[in-house]
Amino acid sequence: AQSVTQPDIHITVSEGASLELRCNYSYGATPYLFWYVQSPGQGLQLLLKYFSGDTLVQGIKGFEAEFKRSQSSFNLRKPSVHWSDAAEYFCAVGARAGAGSYQLTFGKGTKLSVIP
Amino acid sequence: EAGVVQSPRYKIIEKKQPVAFWCNPISGHNTLYWYLQNLGQGPELLIRYENEEAVDDSQLPKDRFSAERLKGVDSTLKIQPAELGDSAVYLCASSLVRGPGELFFGEGSRLTVL
Repeated sequence: AQSVTQPDIHITVSEGASLELRCNYSYGATPYLFWYVQSPGQGLQLLLKYFSGDTLVQGIKGFEAEFKRSQSSFNLRKPSVHWSDAAEYFCAVGARAGAGSYQLTFGKGTKLSVIP
Repeated sequence: EAGVVQSPRYKIIEKKQPVAFWCNPISGHNTLYWYLQNLGQGPELLIRYENEEAVDDSQLPKDRFSAERLKGVDSTLKIQPAELGDSAVYLCASSLVRGPGELFFGEGSRLTVL
């Protein structure tokens, strides 16, 4: 079965600093990978996704992520963090669950705090 | 375009009481999901629908949880009776494609069981 590990429970960065959130996955085949963001009291919003092709994917709000098959990683990055980026970030892997169906498995999340 | 709508946003009940959550997915989205999100955790799938059919309910605790999606549009998730450990956020999501496409989430229904 597939799984996702987000090693960092909580990260604090200063506004304007760069950011990298780590994500490692376990899956026997080529995964479909996602990053979602959740602001307090809100649902999850898709930041970006990787299905195939270029391993560096661009998302909304200035985020990008790089798929590294050799490391089973899909780390999320942003060159300059804004105070509004404070939220919880979830990495997810989509994998086949049966004939024609898929299952999305989420990591436990990384909470991002931003110091003004 | 309206997003995924869930109600109620908040619900406080005493243990052993029943509770129901409602979800209206984005128009045209045939796939609907119910996820459970415990505090400090990522969402965990409870059940997935393709139109009216529940195609994956392996993680739904069937002794007390039930769900339905009549007419393949709105869905209701019910807990009866609720237990203290059911306190969590119940997220509904929908997607246009059957495969691993983007899921659109509602704001969730936060349940507190006293």
